[in-house]
Amino acid sequence: EIVLTQSPGTLSLSPGERATLSCRASQSLSSSYLAWYQQKPGQAPRLLIYGASSRATGIPDRFSGSGSGTDFTLTISRLEPEDFAVYYCQQYGTSPPMYTFGQGTKLEIK
Amino acid sequence: QVQLQESGPGLVKPSQTLSLTCTVSGGSISSGSHYWSWIRQPAGKGLEWIGRIYTIGITNYNPSLKSRVTISVDTSKNQFSLKLSSVTAADTAVYYCARDTRYGDLRFDYWGQGTLVTVSS
Repeated sequence: EIVLTQSPGTLSLSPGERATLSCRASQSLSSSYLAWYQQKPGQAPRLLIYGASSRATGIPDRFSGSGSGTDFTLTISRLEPEDFAVYYCQQYGTSPPMYTFGQGTKLEIK
Repeated sequence: QVQLQESGPGLVKPSQTLSLTCTVSGGSISSGSHYWSWIRQPAGKGLEWIGRIYTIGITNYNPSLKSRVTISVDTSKNQFSLKLSSVTAADTAVYYCARDTRYGDLRFDYWGQGTLVTVSS
């Protein structure tokens, strides 16, 4: 089973700043199997990025994803007030077939 | 626009079976291009995938829960369901249903709003 480790656990930044969130996998995985989600309090997660770097429908272009192998990154180029939330990475493993999530990064207003 | 809605009891007694249903609207559960998953989240914690089902009944389960989980589908009602047996307080969580892709870049693109299930006597 592939384990995803996200860092940092909490990131304190101000609106307008750049945010860089990391997701590290315990084994190399296909970029096709790596996605990112945003979750606000009381809401379901929202898909942001899939295939490591493709933005989901309606996601602003300030959100970008990159990486391959075991290291993946979500970047928010210029933080807007509505971007402060918890972010999760997700991977799909084939043996056994199952999804796992990282533990999350909380992006909070400084 | 695909929408998913969870329904079921919000309170379950320890040792009993948790049962939830997800109703899909705006699209057919039999489309063939998607799996249908259950995911849960204890309060203040992260996301845990429970399992999924494909329209013809093929299932995959999280190995950590496999012995207690059954996911089924009712294509006539455009619904899929979750049963989790022998529940304990550790199963208290918000339960989400979600659609995941069958091919290509795998992800959960539509989610229900979630339903809180509390295990307590």
